[in-house]
Amino acid sequence: QQQVKQSPQSLIVQKGGISIINCAYENTAFDYFPWYQQFPGKGPALLIAIRPDVSEKKEGRFTISFNKSAKQFSLHIMDSQPGDSATYFCAARGAGSARQLTFGSGTQLTVLP
Amino acid sequence: EPEVTQTPSHQVTQMGQEVILRCVPISNHLYFYWYRQILGQKVEFLVSFYNNEISEKSEIFDDQFSVERPDGSNFTLKIRSTKLEDSAMYFCASSEASAGVYTIYFGEGSWLTVV
Repeated sequence: QQQVKQSPQSLIVQKGGISIINCAYENTAFDYFPWYQQFPGKGPALLIAIRPDVSEKKEGRFTISFNKSAKQFSLHIMDSQPGDSATYFCAARGAGSARQLTFGSGTQLTVLP
Repeated sequence: EPEVTQTPSHQVTQMGQEVILRCVPISNHLYFYWYRQILGQKVEFLVSFYNNEISEKSEIFDDQFSVERPDGSNFTLKIRSTKLEDSAMYFCASSEASAGVYTIYFGEGSWLTVV
């Protein structure tokens, strides 16, 4: 019940295209859903995050869509650029005392020039 | 922008040796975490630390692991007797405690290789 399932495992998109990464969760106690971007050899960096009382959040080219009833959320990267090539992790924060993150398995995005 | 800093960036150690990974969390943060990422896999939670004690830990965080905040700025992860399967990138993270939504910030990681 603590898992966050992420798909696809890898994604190849042409420059200017839309990248879509999906995540699903089971635990309804999760209360915060961030997306992290990770470049090789670096730590995860927060990209954008959403709370379950909001259905969509947009920051620049990045949009999170959240479907509370389906327990799914997705990241959309509009006008994808080669510099967006990285691994993307969805995550969910628990409601326990420490509020640690449970990560999805990651999506390796490659944007072709 | 404030950041979480970790040392060393890379350490190679013999199996059975003790390793200490160090972290300096962001200064006004009160929650501290260690996560690990085995090569090519997802980031996994190890332990969280608040108010000078462990608040939660995962099943990975067994008796071989310990954490400490020896002074007002450092946060350390000790692996007492390393095993080959401890080879991974270890990330320190921190967040501030507040009533609202707060972000967990990650360091750049310490890559541990056990040989």
